[in-house]
Amino acid sequence: GQSLEQPSEVTAVEGAIVQINCTYQTSGFYGLSWYQQHDGGAPTFLSYNALDGLEETGRFSSFLSRSDSYGYLLLQELQMKDSASYFCALRDDKIIFGKGTRLHILP
Amino acid sequence: GAVVSQHPSRVICKSGTSVKIECRSLDFQATTMFWYRQFPKQSLMLMATSNEGSKATYEQGVEKDKFLINHASLTLSTLTVTSAHPEDSSFYICSARVTGNTYEQYFGPGTRLTVT
Repeated sequence: GQSLEQPSEVTAVEGAIVQINCTYQTSGFYGLSWYQQHDGGAPTFLSYNALDGLEETGRFSSFLSRSDSYGYLLLQELQMKDSASYFCALRDDKIIFGKGTRLHILP
Repeated sequence: GAVVSQHPSRVICKSGTSVKIECRSLDFQATTMFWYRQFPKQSLMLMATSNEGSKATYEQGVEKDKFLINHASLTLSTLTVTSAHPEDSSFYICSARVTGNTYEQYFGPGTRLTVT
């Protein structure tokens, strides 16, 4: 089967940088995605890594290492609006989500 | 582009009744749609994969006779929760994959179901 592990909660200060790690187990997949979800809302797509390495999209970057079964999401210049849950997800014929990391941002 | 809608956004029903949730791809065709369920402060759990014109594929542990899925057209999939109970109260989210595109899925805004 497929499984993903990520920290349940992370706290950071406004303006700082935070990294959310994700480790996974799978026999095969197309890539690793990251989604953001605010309370009461649907998940919104942030980033996708099909290949090893770093993908940068504005303040958000995501990294994948297939050999280490590991990825991370890096959020820079944190803003209060970034307070949300962040999910890593394995993308195969379907998308399997991790349990999510709740990001708390302190002013 | 690539907008997915769900209707209704919120629904309250009485225990024992059935409720239907619609998922529509508004500006693209979706051969495959997915249904997820999310309980408070938990992850999105895939319930089933819905393919146009064929039977849905349910994930392990999901009762196919309770959660009826119909994908009758390339733009519409429906999830019917039959004989709903309070424990079925949850956030139901659909996603749709663009026909011919293996990778991209677009998520709907979700439907909040409360069973009283």
